[in-house]
Amino acid sequence: DVQLVESGGDLVRPRGSLRLSCAASGFTLSSDAMSWVRQAPGKGLEWVSGFSGSGGATFYADSVKGRFTISRDNSKNTLYLQMNSLRAEDTAVYYCAKHRTRSGLSCFDYWGQGTLVTVSS
Amino acid sequence: DIQMTQSPSSLSASVGDRVTITCRASQSISRFLNWYQQKPGKAPKLLIYDASNLQTGVPSRFSGSGSGTDFTLTISSLQPLDFATYYCQQSYSTPYTFGQGTKLEIK
Repeated sequence: DVQLVESGGDLVRPRGSLRLSCAASGFTLSSDAMSWVRQAPGKGLEWVSGFSGSGGATFYADSVKGRFTISRDNSKNTLYLQMNSLRAEDTAVYYCAKHRTRSGLSCFDYWGQGTLVTVSS
Repeated sequence: DIQMTQSPSSLSASVGDRVTITCRASQSISRFLNWYQQKPGKAPKLLIYDASNLQTGVPSRFSGSGSGTDFTLTISSLQPLDFATYYCQQSYSTPYTFGQGTKLEIK
């Protein structure tokens, strides 16, 4: 069975850094497209960053471009999101999600349980 | 960026009712439209992908239709477990964007 387990969420000060992890099982992460999606408290869903399965191209929302970096460790079957220069508006539950197709131009068919990032002084 | 607009933002209905939620894209997205259900404190769950394909394990009372810019999610006969928030999402191009959500509440 496919499972995604996020970790790394924490309370961090503005301008600080944090790295989120998403451990995948039941499939080979290097072959599939993956994304990070976040949800601010009481708000809707916002796509943050993604990795295509074929070729490994990366994509970012304008709101995080230049501050966040998505990466993966194929040997650990783990997806990461390095978040730098954090702002209060980055406070959210962060989900990792698997795309249904390798190209990434598809729905998110599996989601992790989420990890909470709080940016506050 | 492609803007996704859902209506209504909230909806009160009774068990057994037929409910329709609409989603409109700011430009044509062919059939690259997906629907999710989210309950409080839980991750979203995929219901419908590519406008009308029912995800494995999702009850057949859920259905989706549409193409281009206008899409609908229909629940044919509401069950108690269906009271939740529903989101549409386009997968036509990055940045992938979601509708603002429709909160379905018990009347």
